[in-house]
Amino acid sequence: GQQLNQSPQSMFIQEGEDVSMNCTSSSIFNTWLWYKQEPGEGPVLLIALYKAGELTSNGRLTAQFGITRKDSFLNISASIPSDVGIYFCAGHLGFGGATNKLIFGTGTLLAVQP
Amino acid sequence: DGGITQSPKYLFRKEGQNVTLSCEQNLNHDAMYWYRQDPGQGLRLIYYSQIVNDFQKGDIAEGYSVSREKKESFPLTVTSAQKNPTAFYLCASSIAGTSGGLNSYNEQFFGPGTRLTVL
Repeated sequence: GQQLNQSPQSMFIQEGEDVSMNCTSSSIFNTWLWYKQEPGEGPVLLIALYKAGELTSNGRLTAQFGITRKDSFLNISASIPSDVGIYFCAGHLGFGGATNKLIFGTGTLLAVQP
Repeated sequence: DGGITQSPKYLFRKEGQNVTLSCEQNLNHDAMYWYRQDPGQGLRLIYYSQIVNDFQKGDIAEGYSVSREKKESFPLTVTSAQKNPTAFYLCASSIAGTSGGLNSYNEQFFGPGTRLTVL
């Protein structure tokens, strides 16, 4: 199955630093979703994006739907230790009646040093 | 509280045995999904169901079976035909099984997962 290219694969940062990660695809998406997964748990939806160019925030998290519809970015400002986890992007290809299957990125592991 | 529950959290199985993982949701969602996650990897789709009494194979359906007799339940059976069953299994649901409605219908919500280990 298809997977999105997500980078970086891992990040080891100091508390208080800002974080950026992105996902790219060769296909055009109509929806981008960003999830966070903590060890041994299911992913939790952080931000949903529906429109090219859209910029959406959720607290210290900001995500953007790329203008080309082939990429998306997630930024975390002023990181804290509880930001630790794996961040996944997911995209939805379909339009008008297409199956609601998501394509997932390979994940970015974030570690925050207090 | 509305949500998705999976049970058990941890499951051990001997080689050659079938085992069934439970997934229940009370969100009144039409669509449900099963994913497999291996260490350091993303999510791979096993089966999905857009509506009761209907389901389709995902990308890695071999060695797995499902049923969807009730809207709120989508159990997954890992059969002895699955060669490498040890993994973390995630169930998800979404409002609808197809787009064409609100964009929010694309959003999938996940359960806490079941870790299956084959001994």
